[in-house]
Amino acid sequence: NAGVMQNPRHLVRRRGQEARLRCSPMKGHSHVYWYRQLPEEGLKFMVYLQKENIIDESGMPKERFSAEFPKEGPSILRIQQVVRGDSAAYFCASSPSRAGRNTEAFFGQGTRLTVV
Amino acid sequence: KNEVEQSPQNLTAQEGEFITINCSYSVGISALHWLQQHPGGGIVSLFMLSSGKKKHGRLIATINIQEKHSSLHITASHPRDSAVYICAVSLNTGNQFYFGTGTSLTVIP
Repeated sequence: NAGVMQNPRHLVRRRGQEARLRCSPMKGHSHVYWYRQLPEEGLKFMVYLQKENIIDESGMPKERFSAEFPKEGPSILRIQQVVRGDSAAYFCASSPSRAGRNTEAFFGQGTRLTVV
Repeated sequence: KNEVEQSPQNLTAQEGEFITINCSYSVGISALHWLQQHPGGGIVSLFMLSSGKKKHGRLIATINIQEKHSSLHITASHPRDSAVYICAVSLNTGNQFYFGTGTSLTVIP
């Protein structure tokens, strides 16, 4: 059972380009969380998705950022018109059910986005 | 104020020393997680606790629900334990984890 797979591991984009980050959850997991880790800062929640549904996007910037988790395929975090401040490590976690007492989440290796 | 506070922020130890990292939280939680992140690396889940104590090899994690406090202990520390250790909590309500800012541990041979 492969773990949570994120790709690419490293992504370099010029200002104004689009960044697409992919996350394939563990087999059997239908809940996906995206987190951002800015340099020298802790992880911050961005969005929580179940298959085909956004459950909680309270941590997502209002503009330029979007996420989806289609019925087939990986979850995608899309950042349009990237700016230097978007440079960060983006981590995806998956779980078999909603985060709670008996639910362990498994994290991916992260995608390190650098905007130049 | 962050929902999760960790201490110390940075820790340097000699190989073989006993290490303790502390985590305090201010909200009602359903579970607490200890995570490990190597420089430039991904995040690995070490423990998930909702009460009591758990042990994996040289790692021990404890939680006191009444005091809203958890500790991660490393016995007989080794240079390969050098990493950032992150405390995270999942709330009774809500759909996410809240993270501490991490403790950067360096174990010197």
